[in-house]
Amino acid sequence: QVQLVQSGAEVKKPGSSVKVSCKASGATFSNYAISWVRQAPGQGLDWMGGIIPIFGTSNYAQKFQGRVTITADTSTSTAYMELSSLRSEDTAVYYCARAHYDSQRLPYYMDVWGKGTTVTVSS
Amino acid sequence: DIVMTQSPDSLAVSLGERATITCKSSQSVLYTSNNNNYLAWYQQKPGQPPKLLIYWASTRESGVPDRFSGSGSGTDFTLTISSLQAEDVAVYYCQQYYSTQWTFGQGTKVDIK
Repeated sequence: QVQLVQSGAEVKKPGSSVKVSCKASGATFSNYAISWVRQAPGQGLDWMGGIIPIFGTSNYAQKFQGRVTITADTSTSTAYMELSSLRSEDTAVYYCARAHYDSQRLPYYMDVWGKGTTVTVSS
Repeated sequence: DIVMTQSPDSLAVSLGERATITCKSSQSVLYTSNNNNYLAWYQQKPGQPPKLLIYWASTRESGVPDRFSGSGSGTDFTLTISSLQAEDVAVYYCQQYYSTQWTFGQGTKVDIK
């Protein structure tokens, strides 16, 4: 049974960075893409970007472009999401999710989700 | 970006009755070369991550009860819960993966009347 295990909760100061990890177990990490989605308190889902680990290719939502970096380490089956220049509005639960992809390396629908990592940005 | 608009924002349905949620995309998410609609539905219960219910607009994920069904094509989609159960109380989201910039609908909260 595939699982995505995320790192623990973080409290950060405005202007700093946070790096959240997502470790996959139970399935071949390299056969899938990993996407990151965040959810501010009481709000909806917001896609941030994703990566296909075996190719190292990443794609970011325009609203986060320049502030987010998504990487992956295939040797440890772990993906990472780093968000910089944090502000209070970045307080949210951050989820990683597994996505299949096609022959054109286009990921689609997310079928396995991590439990989420709470990031709190406060002075 | 493709804007996904769900309606209603919330609804309350009696146990055993039908619940219907619609999702409209600002442009078609039908990929004509393979005739697939790049549209998924997720269910999220409080304190839990989202759960995939439906993909390719109408394909039920393994293990999802058959009271959940998805339909539609192009820009107009529907998620139907044929007979609402207590455990179906949740927020439901549609999501398009047609564009490389994925977007979600704002969510529809389903409650028991």
